[in-house]
Amino acid sequence: GNSVTQMEGPVTLSEEAFLTINCTYTATGYPSLFWYVQYPGEGLQLLLKATKADDKGSNKGFEATYRKETTSFHLEKGSVQVSDSAVYFCALRDGGATNKLIFGTGTLLAVQP
Amino acid sequence: ETGVTQTPRHLVMGMTNKKSLKCEQHLGHNAMYWYKQSAKKPLELMFVYSLEERVENNSVPSRFSPECPNSSHLFLHLHTLQPEDSALYLCASSPQSGTDTGELFFGEGSRLTVL
Repeated sequence: GNSVTQMEGPVTLSEEAFLTINCTYTATGYPSLFWYVQYPGEGLQLLLKATKADDKGSNKGFEATYRKETTSFHLEKGSVQVSDSAVYFCALRDGGATNKLIFGTGTLLAVQP
Repeated sequence: ETGVTQTPRHLVMGMTNKKSLKCEQHLGHNAMYWYKQSAKKPLELMFVYSLEERVENNSVPSRFSPECPNSSHLFLHLHTLQPEDSALYLCASSPQSGTDTGELFFGEGSRLTVL
């Protein structure tokens, strides 16, 4: 079945450092791909998405490009802030009429001042 | 405020108790979901309801019993749970449509501890 693998955390960075969180997927066809973020004490919220190969999703300075050749959707940000500290989840849409998503394990990002 | 409200936020129960988790959405969505979030594991999809009908049940033990009385409310009834069921239970909703928005709207979760 479809699955998502993302790098284990925690990832600890200093403010203004460059961020990469790796995500690869296994799927039949070309599902839509997503990054969700979970801030402390909150539920998940959509950060960005890409619906087809070579699409780039972007939001709040974060970017991810849908690479079908490497089945990857790595999350990047050029300069992280303390407020970016959260858990980041990579996900793919599993098809069907509902928006059923398959998630990775999540990667905890801790940004230090 | 995502428009999805879960209660209670925290619940501690013994293995012989019966309790329920409640989820309410004010977004006019027609699909609702229960996910289980455990440390160092992927979010596990438990149940999916579409137009108040259960469309997915991912091999969840019968000690978890969902109920969707209308498109705005979703319950998870809990009975004779095990300590390994301790986790954060997340409710989500989405529009029921043919367009691939892919976006789920999550509540803040109910943190369950089973003693």
